[in-house]
Amino acid sequence: DVKVTQSSRYLVKRTGEKVFLECVQDMDHENMFWYRQDPGLGLRLIYFSYDVKMKEKGDIPEGYSVSREKKERFSLILESASTNQTSMYLCASSLLQGRLETQYFGPGTRLLVL
Amino acid sequence: AQSVTQLGSHVSVSEGALVLLRCNYSSSVPPYLFWYVQYPNQGLQLLLKYTTGATLVKGINGFEAEFKKSETSFHLTKPSAHMSDAAEYFCAVSPSGNTPLVFGKGTRLSVIA
Repeated sequence: DVKVTQSSRYLVKRTGEKVFLECVQDMDHENMFWYRQDPGLGLRLIYFSYDVKMKEKGDIPEGYSVSREKKERFSLILESASTNQTSMYLCASSLLQGRLETQYFGPGTRLLVL
Repeated sequence: AQSVTQLGSHVSVSEGALVLLRCNYSSSVPPYLFWYVQYPNQGLQLLLKYTTGATLVKGINGFEAEFKKSETSFHLTKPSAHMSDAAEYFCAVSPSGNTPLVFGKGTRLSVIA
C-alpha cells in the first residue's frame, strides 16, 4: 500500500513564525502536491512538484514556498505565518504524470496560527 | 478551463436509503472524472474513476457513478446507505495535459439511524 505521511497531525504556531510542514511518501512517486482545505471552499492547490528540485505554483501560492530536495519528501513552508493560514493542509502524491494517475493523500495537518 | 460543481454542500439520508451525490463538470477535452471520500480526521481516498469505456463505474464500498456526457454529469450513488458512509465526498476532473486534478467544494454526507 502507498503510504503518505505528514509530520504532524496538529500544530499551533504564533503569527510571524516560520512554519515547516513535511510530507513523505514511500512508493517512489514522481509527483507531489500540497493543498489546503477550508470549510465551504474544498481543496485548493498551493504548490506541486513533478520532480526533485522542481516546483510549480498552484492556485493559491501566496505566502507559501516549497522544497523538494529528495524524491520522497516535499516540504511546505510558511515564511511568516498569519492567522488566515489557519487551515487543514493535505499532501498528496501520484506515480507518474498524466491524467489517469490516482492521487494518494496523507492524513492532513491541522494548523492553528494564533 | 475545467471546473466541477457539486450540488449541495450537505446531504442527509436515513440508514438504508438511496444515496445520491451530484457532480457536474465542465471540460474542454474529454473528461477524466474521479470521486474521492474523506472520512473524519483522515486524508482523501479514491472511491472510483472514469476514464474511457463503460459509462457506469463501480467503486469501493458499494458506490457507483454514471458518466453522462449529454448532461455533463458524474453523479455518485449507493442503493442503501450505511452509518459508515458518513463522510465528505469530493468530485474531481482531470484537465488536459499534466496539470493536477480540479476538485469540487465537497459534499458532506450524514446518515441518520
